[in-house]
Amino acid sequence: GAGVSQSPRYKVAKRGQDVALRCDPISGHVSLFWYQQALGQGPEFLTYFQNEAQLDKSGLPSDRFFAERPEGSVSTLKIQRTQQEDSAVYLCASTIGAHSNQPQHFGDGTRLSIL
Amino acid sequence: GESVGLHLPTLSVQEGDNSIINCAYSNSASDYFIWYKQESGKGPQFIIDIRSNMDKRQGQRVTVLLNKTVKHLSLQIAATQPGDSAVYFCAEREGYSTLTFGKGTMLLVSP
Repeated sequence: GAGVSQSPRYKVAKRGQDVALRCDPISGHVSLFWYQQALGQGPEFLTYFQNEAQLDKSGLPSDRFFAERPEGSVSTLKIQRTQQEDSAVYLCASTIGAHSNQPQHFGDGTRLSIL
Repeated sequence: GESVGLHLPTLSVQEGDNSIINCAYSNSASDYFIWYKQESGKGPQFIIDIRSNMDKRQGQRVTVLLNKTVKHLSLQIAATQPGDSAVYFCAEREGYSTLTFGKGTMLLVSP
C-alpha cells in the first residue's frame, strides 16, 4: 500500500491476556519504529529495526514487550500478560533509509484497551 | 488565546489568521527537528523538518523557525484553515538517536 498500515485498529483484551499488533511498513522502507502514545501525550519510542535487525529496544517498558521483524518487512509487537497500564495507542513508523535524518511516516496506530 | 486543556495547551484562532505554535526543546545537542500534525484517531502526519545548520525553512503555508540559542522551535501556519485543527507535536533528535517528542499543542480553528 501507499502508507504504513497497522492492524487491528482497535484491540480490547482482558488483563493477563497476550496481544499481538501488526505493522506493514511502506514497501521498501528499511527502518521501522514502534511508539507508545498515552492519551494527551506525545509518542514515546519503544524499539527500532533496520531490516530484520532490532538495533534499539531501549524503550520497551518491560520484558513483557517483545517485537520482531523476521523478514525485514512486516513487524509484530507482542505484549504478554497485559496490564491496565499497557492501554495506549501503539504507533508504527518507517523511513526509506537507515536511521538518518529523514521524516518518519506513521501508521494510524492500534488503540489497545486492557480491561 | 491560549489555555491549558486536558494535558494539552490549546491555541484558538479564527480562520484566515496566522498561527504560531511554539516548542521548547531540551537537548542542546539535537541537530534535527520535525513537526507533526495529528488528527483525532490518526497517526502523526509529517509537516516540515529542519536541521540545526538552518534557522528557517519554508513549506507550503508553513514556516519553521529554529533558535538554538534559547532552544526554541516554532511552527507558523499562514492563513489558518479549519482543516488545520489538530494536535501539533515537535520532535528532536541528536545524531542517530531516536526521536523525542514534545507534549503537543492543540490548534482549534474557528470558521
